[in-house]
Amino acid sequence: DQQVKQNSPSLSVQEGRISILNCDYTNSMFDYFLWYKKYPAEGPTFLISISSIKDKNEDGRFTVFLNKSAKHLSLHIVPSQPGDSAVYFCAASASNNDMRFGAGTRLTVKP
Amino acid sequence: KAGVTQTPRYLIKTRGQQVTLSCSPISGHRSVSWYQQTPGQGLQFLFEYFSETQRNKGNFPGRFSGRQFSNSRSEMNVSTLELGDSALYLCASSSSTGVPPDTQYFGPGTRLTVL
Repeated sequence: DQQVKQNSPSLSVQEGRISILNCDYTNSMFDYFLWYKKYPAEGPTFLISISSIKDKNEDGRFTVFLNKSAKHLSLHIVPSQPGDSAVYFCAASASNNDMRFGAGTRLTVKP
Repeated sequence: KAGVTQTPRYLIKTRGQQVTLSCSPISGHRSVSWYQQTPGQGLQFLFEYFSETQRNKGNFPGRFSGRQFSNSRSEMNVSTLELGDSALYLCASSSSTGVPPDTQYFGPGTRLTVL
């Protein structure tokens, strides 16, 4: 059962523009959400997270927005850089630490 | 601090064989989770171990099993391998301090190919 869905398998943006990656979830028990970035031949690395008590969390060029009523979160990267090209995974966790991941979105930032 | 290490990095097996993968977590981390990554399926949760006990389990058949040792190192075993088991197997560790949830730190993965 796909409790976390990333419906866009790929996204291509121009360098300097905004990248918006989307994620939807179905389990209302999820209370913590994370984004991971994965380069080829490496494990995913933690990027940014947000608790369900917040609707926005910002870290430099990366901002995550959470819309609990819509069960939707998004990751904004501004400005996008070629080094941001990677696969981005959305993850969600309930308080039991059982974390579920989406299928990933491959972001390509073109110079 | 050294990161999460996984051995071996690459493995080729044939159908029907069994395989054991190893994961050493970050020092001090007590929780180890295993994931299977296949194209288009993202990271599928296999199981999580904490203090040598399986704490959470995903929806995988009993051919997939694991264990954790007293030093928090973990092993994953897959018996009677099938072609569909070909995937990247990722291990992640977290400190699991009780403030949920902890950020998971991933190893580089073991690429398993079943012929």
